[in-house]
Amino acid sequence: KQEVTQIPAALSVPEGENLVLNCSFTDSAIYNLQWFRQDPGKGLTSLLLIQSSQREQTSGRLNASLDKSSGRSTLYIAASQPGDSATYLCAVTDSNYQLIWGAGTKLIIKP
Amino acid sequence: SQTIHQWPATLVQPVGSPLSLECTVEGTSNPNLYWYRQAAGRGLQLLFYSVGIGQISSEVPQNLSASRPQDRQFILSSKKLLLSDSGFYLCAWSEGLEGGNEKLFFGSGTQLSVL
Repeated sequence: KQEVTQIPAALSVPEGENLVLNCSFTDSAIYNLQWFRQDPGKGLTSLLLIQSSQREQTSGRLNASLDKSSGRSTLYIAASQPGDSATYLCAVTDSNYQLIWGAGTKLIIKP
Repeated sequence: SQTIHQWPATLVQPVGSPLSLECTVEGTSNPNLYWYRQAAGRGLQLLFYSVGIGQISSEVPQNLSASRPQDRQFILSSKKLLLSDSGFYLCAWSEGLEGGNEKLFFGSGTQLSVL
């Protein structure tokens, strides 16, 4: 059974720092991995989707990597800003086309 | 461009009352549609998904039901709400491409409190 874990559950860093969020999954048989952002009381916004054949995707200050063999993905945020404060969730599409979600990392960027 | 509308944003209902949450998508045709529930500090739980009009798959046995009366309309319902139905409900859509490599797009969510 696929399980997705995000550690830490919460992270607070000063503005301007580069940071890495982690996502791990137990079964390497995935179609893709997605990173989402969720602001408090709001819906989710898709940030990056990495297909199983890819190793990374970039969008602006965000870079997501995927290592299927080790069951890990990282979301790198460069030059963090207060506006980056949100909860970041990762999800994998498993071999049954089901999305399996992590519980998220709540990120706070301190001005 | 595609947009997704979900309403209401917040809802307070007494136990035993009915529920109807509506979600509509614009700018696309024959989308896959989803209802998720999110509990505080936990990942999203898929409740229902639909690949076409009248086609509903339920992932978790529960007090809720879903319907898709039109191609771009997805409704989450209950005849009698329970306290345990409280939570944050999210509607989402995807293009339903082969291979499972489609992005999910979410509505803004409904915070349901059952008292």
